Amino acid sequence: RKEVEQDPGPFNVPEGATVAFNCTYSNSASQSFFWYRQDCRKEPKLLMSVYSSGNEDGRFTAQLNRASQYISLLIRDSKLSDSATYLCVVNRGRSNYQLIWGAGTKLIIKP
Amino acid sequence: EAQVTQNPRYLITVTGKKLTVTCSQNMNHEYMSWYRQDPGLGLRQIYYSMNVEVTDKGDVPEGYKVSRKEKRNFPLILESPSPNQTSLYFCASSDRKEGNPSNQPQHFGDGTRLSIL
Repeated sequence: RKEVEQDPGPFNVPEGATVAFNCTYSNSASQSFFWYRQDCRKEPKLLMSVYSSGNEDGRFTAQLNRASQYISLLIRDSKLSDSATYLCVVNRGRSNYQLIWGAGTKLIIKP
Repeated sequence: EAQVTQNPRYLITVTGKKLTVTCSQNMNHEYMSWYRQDPGLGLRQIYYSMNVEVTDKGDVPEGYKVSRKEKRNFPLILESPSPNQTSLYFCASSDRKEGNPSNQPQHFGDGTRLSIL
């Protein structure tokens, strides 16, 4: 089993729709969780950190479910500019300085 | 402007010819890291460094070397490149919070696309 798993997609979604991604992780000791966005083989950029209580940033909402070991990302009112690959990132534990990256979910927003 | 700078951006070379990819950051970050990204796989960590003169292997260190003589620079060295090292490489840096840089966002360079023939 991979340490971090994501549905590779692509998700083809009409503009204005709501789309949700899930990401599962295997290490119960993981403490830090992030969503990054990557455009067409450019460098990843932080979209948002994921907190235990869940957090929202504009049209984006992230949730963490520790019991089931998954994190989710919800995008509301999707825009053409949201087309990208979304990377789920998890650390290996409090005393471990490594981040584990999912392979990414590709999102294509269609007009 | 806060940034991570990698050079070169693109390189095509031949098997066995030593090469170095440079990485420099101007944010005074203690933590620096090298990743490779291959189709269908997530970023995989090659090496990381917690501070000057402190380096550790990541998940895929074979065939690579690094050094951290200064805080701002973290070069990646391929002593004898092979075709399976053809990949997209990213350098990243981050600050440390509560001693653990994996709590912090990573700042990435633009990437180096490396082809080994």
